[in-house]
Amino acid sequence: GNSVTQMEGPVTLSEEAFLTINCTYTATGYPSLFWYVQYPGEGLQLLLKATKADDKGSNKGFEATYRKETTSFHLEKGSVQVSDSAVYFCALSDQGGKLIFGQGTELSVKP
Amino acid sequence: EAGVVQSPRYKIIEKKQPVAFWCNPISGHNTLYWYRQNLGQGPELLIRYENEEAVDDSQLPKDRFSAERLKGVDSTLKIQPAELGDSAVYLCASSPPRTYNEQFFGPGTRLTVL
Repeated sequence: GNSVTQMEGPVTLSEEAFLTINCTYTATGYPSLFWYVQYPGEGLQLLLKATKADDKGSNKGFEATYRKETTSFHLEKGSVQVSDSAVYFCALSDQGGKLIFGQGTELSVKP
Repeated sequence: EAGVVQSPRYKIIEKKQPVAFWCNPISGHNTLYWYRQNLGQGPELLIRYENEEAVDDSQLPKDRFSAERLKGVDSTLKIQPAELGDSAVYLCASSPPRTYNEQFFGPGTRLTVL
């Protein structure tokens, strides 16, 4: 079945450091891929998405590229801020619109 | 534009008691989802509605869980009786017609079963 695996947290970085959160997936067909973010005490928010191979999703300085050959969708940001501290979820959407999430990666950015 | 509204935000109950959660989706969103998020895990779909019809309830534990969306707008998820393992955050999400790729989530209801 379809599944998403992302790197375990917590990830602790200093402000302005480079961020990578790895995400790989297993799916039949051609799923859409997403990164959602959950700030403390808030609901999940869509951060970025990509709907086909080689697409790059970007938002708020975050980027992720849909790599079909490596079945990956790694999240990157060149310079993190304290306000980026949150839990990040990688997800895929199958043909029927069902979202399948990874287990989440907690990011903590220290000043 | 108002987001997805859920209530209550927190609920603490004794095991074997019933509990209900309410969700009001974004206006105009005909697709509504209920997810369960266990501690340290990603959300898992329980049920998906297209208007008032449940089109995917394969992951809903039907012996104790039920859901309804009678008028195709707001929805209620019920657990009766609750078990200790039901402690989790219950998330509601909605999406516009024919736009499954973008789901908007509510803040969730955190359920603690003692």
